[in-house]
Amino acid sequence: AQKVTQAQTEISVVEKEDVTLDCVYETRDTTYYLFWYKQPPSGELVFLIRRNSFDEQNEISGRYSWNFQKSTSSFNFTITASQVVDSAVYFCALSGGGSARQLTFGSGTQLTVLP
Amino acid sequence: KAGVTQTPRYLIKTRGQQVTLSCSPISGHRSVSWYQQTPGQGLQFLFEYFSETQRNKGNFPGRFSGRQFSNSRSEMNVSTLELGDSALYLCASSLETGQGGEAFFGQGTRLTVV
Repeated sequence: AQKVTQAQTEISVVEKEDVTLDCVYETRDTTYYLFWYKQPPSGELVFLIRRNSFDEQNEISGRYSWNFQKSTSSFNFTITASQVVDSAVYFCALSGGGSARQLTFGSGTQLTVLP
Repeated sequence: KAGVTQTPRYLIKTRGQQVTLSCSPISGHRSVSWYQQTPGQGLQFLFEYFSETQRNKGNFPGRFSGRQFSNSRSEMNVSTLELGDSALYLCASSLETGQGGEAFFGQGTRLTVV
């Protein structure tokens, strides 16, 4: 069975602070994919990044960066110089095994960035 | 390019009734998945359709069903509604058929059962 754990339920930071959202996953698949999604109050899940299990390179996209470590089964997400518009719920998700698409989501982290 | 469209956005139904939700995927996407989001259970996978065939189903009772049409539009149906079915139902479409493709989500249908 697959499992994704986001231990941080809520995080509050002041604007311009850096913040890291933690994600730990469990899977028996050797090939799998990890994702981060953002859910603003409007409800839709906005895709942020995808990583496959064979690519452990860290990635930076503007103020966003991701640290994937297979040794610790973690896929953490850092926002540098946070902004009020970053306030949202962030979900880490996992898929793997077979041809069908099924995402297993973590419980999400509510990030609030205060002005 | 239009995104994933879900209709209706909001719905109020009475316990025992049935409901049908609709999802139009991004043009060219043939994989459509459905998820239920509740405060207690979080985001849970319902089922996935590809080329009109259900490829995978989550752990939900048979009251939850779906289908996909030849134009890739999908509907999900919930019969004999229960109070616990109140949730945000999200639809996602994907271009790739495998596990690694990006899933693009709609804004969801918020169902309230009273």
